[in-house]
Order: sequence, then C-alpha cells, then structure tokens
Amino acid sequence: DAGVTQSPTHLIKTRGQQVTLRCSPKSGHDTVSWYQQALGQGPQFIFQYYEEEERQRGNFPDRFSGHQFPNYSSELNVNALLLGDSALYLCASSFAGLWEGTQYFGPGTRLTVL
Amino acid sequence: AQSVTQPDIHITVSEGASLELRCNYSYGATPYLFWYVQSPGQGLQLLLKYFSGDTLVQGIKGFEAEFKRSQSSFNLRKPSVHWSDAAEYFCAVGARNTDKLIFGTGTRLQVFP
Repeated sequence: DAGVTQSPTHLIKTRGQQVTLRCSPKSGHDTVSWYQQALGQGPQFIFQYYEEEERQRGNFPDRFSGHQFPNYSSELNVNALLLGDSALYLCASSFAGLWEGTQYFGPGTRLTVL
Repeated sequence: AQSVTQPDIHITVSEGASLELRCNYSYGATPYLFWYVQSPGQGLQLLLKYFSGDTLVQGIKGFEAEFKRSQSSFNLRKPSVHWSDAAEYFCAVGARNTDKLIFGTGTRLQVFP
C-alpha cells in the first residue's frame, strides 16, 4: 500500500516564475492538505481540498492556489514566485468519512527560488 | 491568538537517557494535541495524539505525552532514548473534524552513543 507520494522531489525556479507541485494521497484517502515548511520552522497550513473543492485555507496569498482531481490527487500552484517561497512543501492526506485526526504526510517537495 | 511554543530548539541526550520535550499551546477552543516526528528527507510521522480522557497518552516507538490543562502543556517523554530517535519533533494543535494544524517550530533531538 503506497503512502502519500509527491513530485518532484526537488525544484529550482527563479523569481516571478510559476510552479506546480503534485501529490497523490494514500490509498483510500479523499482529503488532501498542503503545508509550507520554511527552513527551521514548523509546517504552516496552506489549504485543504475535499470533493475537488477548497474546504479550508490558511493565511496565504492568492498566489497560492490548488486543485483536486476526481482520483483525489492534488496540485499546488504558486504564481509570481518570491524568494520567500523557498521551502519544503508537504502534502498530507486523510479520510473524511472517519475523522481520527491522523494525517499521513508525504516526503515533501523542496522548492528553491533564486 | 492560537499558537504552539516549543521552548527548546535543540536537545542533546545520551543513548539510554530519559527524554522530555516541552510543548505549550494557546488555543481558544478545546485543543486536540499531536506530536509528530520528522527524520531527514522524510515526511512527518504521527507519534501520538490527545483528544480527551486519560491525560497520559501512549504513542508509537515507546513515546508518551501528558496533557496538563492548567499549564497549557503537552510534553513528550521517553524513558530511554535510542540512537534512532534522533530527529526533529513537532508539537501541533488543532480542532475536531479539521486537519488544519498549527505547528510549533520544532525541537531537534541529537543522541550521543
């Protein structure tokens, strides 16, 4: 049973560019959350997708957007990249039908903005 | 404001020694509390969680945590640390039926043989 997978593993972009990160949830999970983890910091909640809609959002600008597909996989898009967007982006999945407070995290995508 | 504070940025212990990692939270509603561990190149792994009931909760890998409402604390403990426990540990708080967590800044644990 594959856990949460994310791609790519690493990514280097320049300021002003756009980036798309991808996440496949754990088998049986239908909810995907995205977190940003800056160096030396704890993860910060960006948003959550369920039934292909954004259900919750953290304190992130509109440059951060997402999408969830019918197979529950998800994308995180960041436009007009800033140096401060350099971070590890974590995806987490869970099953909405039985909330147990347990999210499964992927290994993350390391984004570097130059 | 909702927040989680982990006062210790870096802790070093000898293998076999006991461990306590501190966590204090500020949360307006009934807190749901979590401890996660992150090894280099790995995602976060849930160690344990507290929702209600017995204030001493047991987790995986021999870890336990105690919820103290009067002190707004949820400290993580392990009686005997193993070298494989070296990692970053994060305390987090959330609410029921939401996966939106507020994390602390983490404590890096180093274990000496």
